[in-house]
Amino acid sequence: DSGVTQTPKHLITATGQRVTLRCSPRSGDLSVYWYQQSLDQGLQFLIQYYNGEERAKGNILERFSAQQFPDLHSELNLSSLELGDSALYFCASSPDRGPGNQPQHFGDGTRLSIL
Amino acid sequence: GENVEQHPSTLSVQEGDSAVIKCTYSDSASNYFPWYKQELGKRPQLIIDIRSNVGEKKDQRIAVTLNKTAKHFSLHITETQPEDSAVYFCAASKGSNFGNEKLTFGTGTRLTIIP
Repeated sequence: DSGVTQTPKHLITATGQRVTLRCSPRSGDLSVYWYQQSLDQGLQFLIQYYNGEERAKGNILERFSAQQFPDLHSELNLSSLELGDSALYFCASSPDRGPGNQPQHFGDGTRLSIL
Repeated sequence: GENVEQHPSTLSVQEGDSAVIKCTYSDSASNYFPWYKQELGKRPQLIIDIRSNVGEKKDQRIAVTLNKTAKHFSLHITETQPEDSAVYFCAASKGSNFGNEKLTFGTGTRLTIIP
């Protein structure tokens, strides 16, 4: 158990719909990262939040947005869903309480299937 | 931006033999290099990491080496066991005075241990 909690585990929906994925970071971690993993693909960075503020953006589509709340949990919102959005969405967290790199630990992911 | 290349994409090794996976990175400012193991349908799990001020790090049967001049790093698994079968991802990141930055992942190596 990594301590990072993601809900729901599975999500099945139709094209054009909107969904929200939720992530609770490990206790004490200030940074939350979202990654997308498509079938047989690697892990693509979407966005990072640090203590409630957006810190970095990757190749995140305009149809996707995220936020981090005062209790540090984060939500990833995906709208106008397309078949190609079917993927595993992972959240990771790290402490980021000082300079330098600290390990990122991943949640179990949300499997999104678009029908 | 950073680009991480990983080789080989697939690797089959007899049980008890060693396995080596290699990665190269493009951004000389990268200073943190973690390795993740991902079993089918599961989350990426951090197995070892190395920082740029260290040339080698070992943890039981796993070791990582880093050559900053050549900008490449490698994962070595000795005395392989069936449970080592998984997809392995290397990654690179730059730290800052404010902590972590995003991980850029390699494309993964599917390691199969032959009993």
